[in-house]
Amino acid sequence: GAGVSQSPRYKVAKRGQDVALRCDPISGHVSLFWYQQALGQGPEFLTYFQNEAQLDKSGLPSDRFFAERPEGSVSTLKIQRTQQEDSAVYLCASSSGLDQDEQFFGPGTRLTVL
Amino acid sequence: SQQGEEDPQALSIQEGENATMNCSYKTSINNLQWYRQNSGRGLVHLILIRSNEREKHSGRLRVTLDTSKKSSSLLITASRAADTASYFCATDAGYGGSQGNLIFGKGTKLSVKP
Repeated sequence: GAGVSQSPRYKVAKRGQDVALRCDPISGHVSLFWYQQALGQGPEFLTYFQNEAQLDKSGLPSDRFFAERPEGSVSTLKIQRTQQEDSAVYLCASSSGLDQDEQFFGPGTRLTVL
Repeated sequence: SQQGEEDPQALSIQEGENATMNCSYKTSINNLQWYRQNSGRGLVHLILIRSNEREKHSGRLRVTLDTSKKSSSLLITASRAADTASYFCATDAGYGGSQGNLIFGKGTKLSVKP
């Protein structure tokens, strides 16, 4: 079956542009997570959805970052007025249950802000 | 912020040798997971060990957990060139409930030479 997919795989933006990153989780997965991974670092949590409800957005670095999952499946992470420090790989993960369990990761979107 | 710290940061071994990576964390946890990331790819779940477990095996992988020392180790036996990747430990947020988001360490970069 299909895993988690993300698009685009690569995005180059000029400083100040807005970007939108898409995540298609595994069908039927309740939980969806966004992580940010800087070069040479481990992923850092950004935000978490349970179905369409955004239960935790404590990891979003600023109010320029916004995520949504309006129908409880596909999710979009939007970054407004991008800055160079936003350059990173953005990973999406989904899991089946409501409790702690295995998360399935997408390939990530590599964002480069010039 | 990152809770887990892997040790060593980098490890280079010959094919057929065993590889041991360690992870330390700071707060109490419900479970600890190990993930693998090949260069430029998403993370792949390897194994999950719960806080009431001390050791777990999966194929050539052996994970131990010592909650009194807040540490875990991942052993890969009879390593292969295909095991070359970065390995991350990840813990749950540990503040109760089912928040779900994982806290990753910085990873160990394993290189297995043929």
